[in-house]
Amino acid sequence: QQQVKQSPQSLIVQKGGISIINCAYENTAFDYFPWYQQFPGKGPALLIAIRPDVSEKKEGRFTISFNKSAKQFSLHIMDSQPGDSATYFCAALSGNTPLVFGKGTRLSVIA
Amino acid sequence: NAGVTQTPKFRVLKTGQSMTLLCAQDMNHEYMYWYRQDPGMGLRLIHYSVGEGTTAKGEVPDGYNVSRLKKQNFLLGLESAAPSQTSVYFCASSPGSFYGYTFGSGTRLTVV
Repeated sequence: QQQVKQSPQSLIVQKGGISIINCAYENTAFDYFPWYQQFPGKGPALLIAIRPDVSEKKEGRFTISFNKSAKQFSLHIMDSQPGDSATYFCAALSGNTPLVFGKGTRLSVIA
Repeated sequence: NAGVTQTPKFRVLKTGQSMTLLCAQDMNHEYMYWYRQDPGMGLRLIHYSVGEGTTAKGEVPDGYNVSRLKKQNFLLGLESAAPSQTSVYFCASSPGSFYGYTFGSGTRLTVV
């Protein structure tokens, strides 16, 4: 049973456009929702994270939107750039349990 | 500041051979994790540790063992490698539950 469902699997966006990646979860005990960015040949790196007491968090061009009632959260990348081309993973955890990851979204930003 | 260092970076094993993957962190983090990454499967947790001398099973622990004898090191062992264990293995560490994980650069293991 997949605890965090991520979509789409792949995404192609024009330079300057908005990239949107969605995740859904079932476990209502989850209380920490990070997004990780991974470039080829590298390990994932924390991009941005949110706790369920807020509905939105913005850091530069990256925004997490969180909908507790729908059990969904999403990553928005504004003004997408070719350098944003990477694989993005959503994740979640509750309490002291380790992170569970979505299956990833491969983003390609084309000029 | 090296962060999380994984050795080796690449390895080819024959079926039935054993090996140990080493993860070392220099950030004094309490928690350490081993994940495997396979195409289309995301990152799946193998084992983890919440402190020196402790280990716990993750989602896919079968065929692997771990040890955390020192706080800074977390070892992942394969006793009898199988082709299904061909994967990229990532080690990560964190200071606590609600902190970001710092990942190593991975070990690409091929079992033939």
